[in-house]
Amino acid sequence: SQTIHQWPATLVQPVGSPLSLECTVEGTSNPNLYWYRQAAGRGLQLLFYSVGIGQISSEVPQNLSASRPQDRQFILSSKKLLLSDSGFYLCAWGRDSEGEQFFGPGTRLTVL
Amino acid sequence: GQQVMQIPQYQHVQEGEDFTTYCNSSTTLSNIQWYKQRPGGHPVFLIQLVKSGEVKKQKRLTFQFGEAKKNSSLHITATQTTDVGTYFCAGLGQGAQKLVFGQGTRLTINP
Repeated sequence: SQTIHQWPATLVQPVGSPLSLECTVEGTSNPNLYWYRQAAGRGLQLLFYSVGIGQISSEVPQNLSASRPQDRQFILSSKKLLLSDSGFYLCAWGRDSEGEQFFGPGTRLTVL
Repeated sequence: GQQVMQIPQYQHVQEGEDFTTYCNSSTTLSNIQWYKQRPGGHPVFLIQLVKSGEVKKQKRLTFQFGEAKKNSSLHITATQTTDVGTYFCAGLGQGAQKLVFGQGTRLTINP
């Protein structure tokens, strides 16, 4: 069966510090991978998606970046965090662009 | 770009009452999906609708896809406290590569 892991579960970081969130998927190959951000009590904002190794599509211009160094690994990064980067970051995978997406447990990021 | 609007944003009901959330897309969809997010949790896939006018049921939940494939609804009959959470629709535009999520409807229930 397939599983998706995200870590850390929670994170508190000062403004201006770097960020690295990791997401890995097990039990499948060549998945579509997604990073979403959810502000408190709000909807899901798609940040990045990837259909293959090294292929990243950015949806929102901002100080975040994403990389996919391996088939089942998706990393979200920032060189300098802003207060507005606080939120719930969710990684998801799908078998293709049309089907259901499976979400990881998420990382709650607070930037102080 | 494609937009997906969902209403209402919040809904509070008494346990046993019915609940409906509506989803409207600015463009024709290839499919629409529904997800549920429990408080403190992550979204979990409920169902996918593909055909025009399609209706699917899961126990007390009824999902509909509009004839024009631009709108959808989720109806819960006789809500229970386990139904608490935020319900999201997500539409895939025709020829698109990614889902667009609605803002969600947060359901709270008075037992």
